[in-house]
Amino acid sequence: QKEVEQNSGPLSVPEGAIASLNCTYSDRGSQSFFWYRQYSGKSPELIMSIYSNGDKEDGRFTAQLNKASQYVSLLIRDSQPSDSATYLCAVHGAQKLVFGQGTRLTINP
Amino acid sequence: AAGVIQSPRHLIKEKRETATLKCYPIPRHDTVYWYQQGPGQDPQFLISFYEKMQSDKGSIPDRFSAQQFSDYHSELNMSSLELGDSALYFCASSLRGFGGELFFGEGSRLTVL
Repeated sequence: QKEVEQNSGPLSVPEGAIASLNCTYSDRGSQSFFWYRQYSGKSPELIMSIYSNGDKEDGRFTAQLNKASQYVSLLIRDSQPSDSATYLCAVHGAQKLVFGQGTRLTINP
Repeated sequence: AAGVIQSPRHLIKEKRETATLKCYPIPRHDTVYWYQQGPGQDPQFLISFYEKMQSDKGSIPDRFSAQQFSDYHSELNMSSLELGDSALYFCASSLRGFGGELFFGEGSRLTVL
């Protein structure tokens, strides 16, 4: 089992709709959770971090964490074409950050 | 604000040659990470350094080595290059104790012919 798993995608969402990205992790001791956005050929860019159970909102982005279920999600409201990218879930355990395989999101105008 | 600087941005090598990638972390960041990302793959952790000492090791081949210097910059040395080493190599830095947020450089694209 991979340490961090994301819904496989690709995910296609109409402009203005809500995009929902999901991630599960295996290490119960993980304390820090991140969502990175990566455009093709570019480096991952941190868009959200979450450390405690519940929701964390930042503009159009909401991260949700449920440690009991070992689940973290990202909601993107009012999706824009510029949100089209690969979204990487990352979980920090021990001394390293482990990434999921990424979900490719396409926002259709 | 200063970001993570990687060099070179692009590198083309022949099989069995050697390559060196450099990374300059964000000032005052004490931890450096190296990741390898193949086409269509998620970034794979290679190795990390904290305060110039190796802190964790991932799927780094024995042909690769890395170190962090006194000025905190890091170098990834790759020898006996193989076609499968062609990838984007990202360096990231963080400040330990600040939640593990990593900030990535633009990456170095290595092509092995």
